[in-house]
Amino acid sequence: GAVVSQHPSWVICKSGTSVKIECRSLDFQATTMFWYRQFPKQSLMLMATSNEGSKATYEQGVEKDKFLINHASLTLSTLTVTSAHPEDSSFYICSASGQRTDTQYFGPGTRLTVL
Amino acid sequence: AQTVTQSQPEMSVQEAETVTLSCTYDTSESDYYLFWYKQPPSRQMILVIRQEAYKQQNATENRFSVNFQKAAKSFSLKISDSQLGDAAMYFCAFLRDNDMRFGAGTRLTVKP
Repeated sequence: GAVVSQHPSWVICKSGTSVKIECRSLDFQATTMFWYRQFPKQSLMLMATSNEGSKATYEQGVEKDKFLINHASLTLSTLTVTSAHPEDSSFYICSASGQRTDTQYFGPGTRLTVL
Repeated sequence: AQTVTQSQPEMSVQEAETVTLSCTYDTSESDYYLFWYKQPPSRQMILVIRQEAYKQQNATENRFSVNFQKAAKSFSLKISDSQLGDAAMYFCAFLRDNDMRFGAGTRLTVKP
């Protein structure tokens, strides 16, 4: 099946700094990429959807200026958490779909801890 | 937006026994996809089974099968011959137009 990678798998940063998380589709062209956030013992919540070369569409309540998403190529999307605070600590998961939109392939996730 | 409900926060099953996880959803659409994902402690989302709404036949994958009741908007997962490795969080998901929504999840414990 299709493979999606994320980097880094775990990051610790100081409050006020910015952190970038990469999501790559390794063996297919990802027309659309998705970013989810998962708090402990909770479900996945969609943050935003991005199409290659277009601005991301954010879910209601997600601050677009805080969570910057770039989908510059068909194999790479990045999520930058700007001026991170402890409440941004969470597990961030990306997924991707290709020309077929009837399934999504998930990355392994990134654990962000903000001190 | 479509909603997905998993009413069982936790379930427990004896090894080698059968367990059924429940999922209901709300939609006015007739064409969509339903999924069950497993999330072990590693937190990698693993696809367990997938169902197309236009197919009446219930999907099966080895020990995993679903009971898809379209009119009732119900999509339960049956795990047969449960194994210790089946212990994980299980999420039901609804997909339409590239928009995937998840239920709250069910934590499955397998007792040896």
